[in-house]
Amino acid sequence: RKEVEQDPGPFNVPEGATVAFNCTYSNSASQSFFWYRQDCRKEPKLLMSVYSSGNEDGRFTAQLNRASQYISLLIRDSKLSDSATYLCVVNIGGGSQGNLIFGKGTKLSVKP
Amino acid sequence: GAVVSQHPSRVICKSGTSVKIECRSLDFQATTMFWYRQFPKQSLMLMATSNEGSKATYEQGVEKDKFLINHASLTLSTLTVTSAHPEDSSFYICSAPGASSYNEQFFGPGTRLTVL
Repeated sequence: RKEVEQDPGPFNVPEGATVAFNCTYSNSASQSFFWYRQDCRKEPKLLMSVYSSGNEDGRFTAQLNRASQYISLLIRDSKLSDSATYLCVVNIGGGSQGNLIFGKGTKLSVKP
Repeated sequence: GAVVSQHPSRVICKSGTSVKIECRSLDFQATTMFWYRQFPKQSLMLMATSNEGSKATYEQGVEKDKFLINHASLTLSTLTVTSAHPEDSSFYICSAPGASSYNEQFFGPGTRLTVL
């Protein structure tokens, strides 16, 4: 079983749509969780951390279910500029030297 | 957030040559930096952890004699791909951990290596 699994997509949605991405992780000792965004041929950039109680940042909502080892990202009112690959990332180290494990990413394409 | 730079952004070289990639933390010190590799449509894979003042820690399957890492100062780590082959063509990205308790990492812009 892969450490971090995501639906590769692509998700093709119209502007204004709501889209949800799911992610599962295999290491139950994982300490912290993130969603990164990666544009084509660019480096990943942190979109948001994922907290146990769930958190929201504007149109983006992230949720964590430790019991199911499941993470989600919800994007409301999709914009053209949201088109990118979204990476689910898990830190299994916990300390400052932690090891980030990346999912392969889910590709989102928002169409006019 | 913190800024990490990488140089060069793109390099094309002949098979058998060596290529050096630099990773710098511009506005903070990084005792640790990470080197990742990403093949097309694949996830980022950690290659090694670069430690200032000591030897790098390599992930399983990564040849330390082929991928030389030097963390010469608190703001600079270098990755040298020695005797490069076409299968080494990839996107190489470095990162440095931030100070937050959730261990955010700041990524450099990446280096796209093409070996002919």
